[in-house]
Amino acid sequence: KNQVEQSPQSLIILEGKNCTLQCNYTVSPFSNLRWYKQDTGRGPVSLTIMTFSENTKSNGRYTATLDADTKQSSLHITASQLSDSASYICVVSAGSGGYNKLIFGAGTRLAVHP
Amino acid sequence: DGGITQSPKYLFRKEGQNVTLSCEQNLNHDAMYWYRQDPGQGLRLIYYSQIVNDFQKGDIAEGYSVSREKKESFPLTVTSAQKNPTAFYLCASGTTAGGYTFGSGTRLTVV
Repeated sequence: KNQVEQSPQSLIILEGKNCTLQCNYTVSPFSNLRWYKQDTGRGPVSLTIMTFSENTKSNGRYTATLDADTKQSSLHITASQLSDSASYICVVSAGSGGYNKLIFGAGTRLAVHP
Repeated sequence: DGGITQSPKYLFRKEGQNVTLSCEQNLNHDAMYWYRQDPGQGLRLIYYSQIVNDFQKGDIAEGYSVSREKKESFPLTVTSAQKNPTAFYLCASGTTAGGYTFGSGTRLTVV
């Protein structure tokens, strides 16, 4: 069964600190892995997308890693800001062409406090 | 600016009523999708369409209907057969290369 599990479920950090969010998946065949940021009451916004051959991708203060052997990904946020408070969703695309099905994790809810 | 627009942002439905959620995109994307988001759960696929005049059921299609008469538009109707319609609904559009853009969502509440 295709699954994406994220941890922790929720996280509170102080402004300026770093944090790492985890994503484990069992999806086959693997096409790509995406991280999205979703503010409360808004649609998800793409942060990174990685294919099988990529193991690191950065977008400003966000750095995603992918270990295709262990089927794990992480999202590292550096020097957190209050505006980083949001849900972060890991999404794995399953398929080898044509229609690729997206498998969504339940998300990690991050709260950054001053 | 290119984008995907959902309306309304908030919608209230009485028991036994059908309601239609709008989704319009000007990104020239072939594929469009409808997802439902409930607290503590990942997004679940309701319906998707890869081309005009064609659409497929997703994982939780019961109680929902869609149409795709134009490339730009993919409206979702929540029918009275949907027993638990209160949720946040997200529309997305995408390309075969994998680019994916979400709308800002519609929050539907049954009153």
